[in-house]
Amino acid sequence: DIQMTQSPSSLSASVGDRVTITCRASQGISNHLAWFQQKPGKAPKSLIYAASSLHSGVPSKFSGSGSGTDFTLTISSLQPEDFATYYCQQYNSYPPTFGQGTRLEIK
Amino acid sequence: EVQLVESGGGLVQPGGSLRLSCAASGFTLSSYWMSWVRQAPGKGLEWVANIKEDGSEKYYVDSVKGRFTISRDNAENSLYLQMNSLRVEDTAVYYCARDVGVATTSDYWGQGTLVTVSS
Repeated sequence: DIQMTQSPSSLSASVGDRVTITCRASQGISNHLAWFQQKPGKAPKSLIYAASSLHSGVPSKFSGSGSGTDFTLTISSLQPEDFATYYCQQYNSYPPTFGQGTRLEIK
Repeated sequence: EVQLVESGGGLVQPGGSLRLSCAASGFTLSSYWMSWVRQAPGKGLEWVANIKEDGSEKYYVDSVKGRFTISRDNAENSLYLQMNSLRVEDTAVYYCARDVGVATTSDYWGQGTLVTVSS
């Protein structure tokens, strides 16, 4: 199985900050990488697929980049509703696998 | 509006069985691959299984192969997960999700249903 490693595991930031989360795959996955946001007690929300394509309705403050093994999720101008846990997922090969998550907290 | 509503979760003893259902609305179920993804308490996300639009292809994570069966009834707009020989480690919130095209990633998720396996 492909291992997905996110860094950092947790991150403290302030409202208005710009943050970047990194996701690394244990082998090349082309651009078959997705990002999800999850708030406590809620279902995940899909943000990005194909490494950089935003799902319908996702604000442009979220952006993704990367290809191969290294990927990033950037969130600009953090707002209170952005503080959540973020997961990456590879879907290049079965089984699809997720990173361990990055918890974004208010500083 | 796309909606996915899971049901069927509950408390079951190790070795027992449970059938989860997911009612889909707001889109044509027969046009989409569908997945089940789970999340153990306080842990991350784990993909469990998915099924092709017509049910002709199914894939599973190794840890549930031979115990879980994914199925669908497009006429009833429903997705199912039959879970047999349940183990304590199957305890999780189970989400159904609509897949993006032929990719094994999802765009819409249900609210989840909790399965607790305990004696």
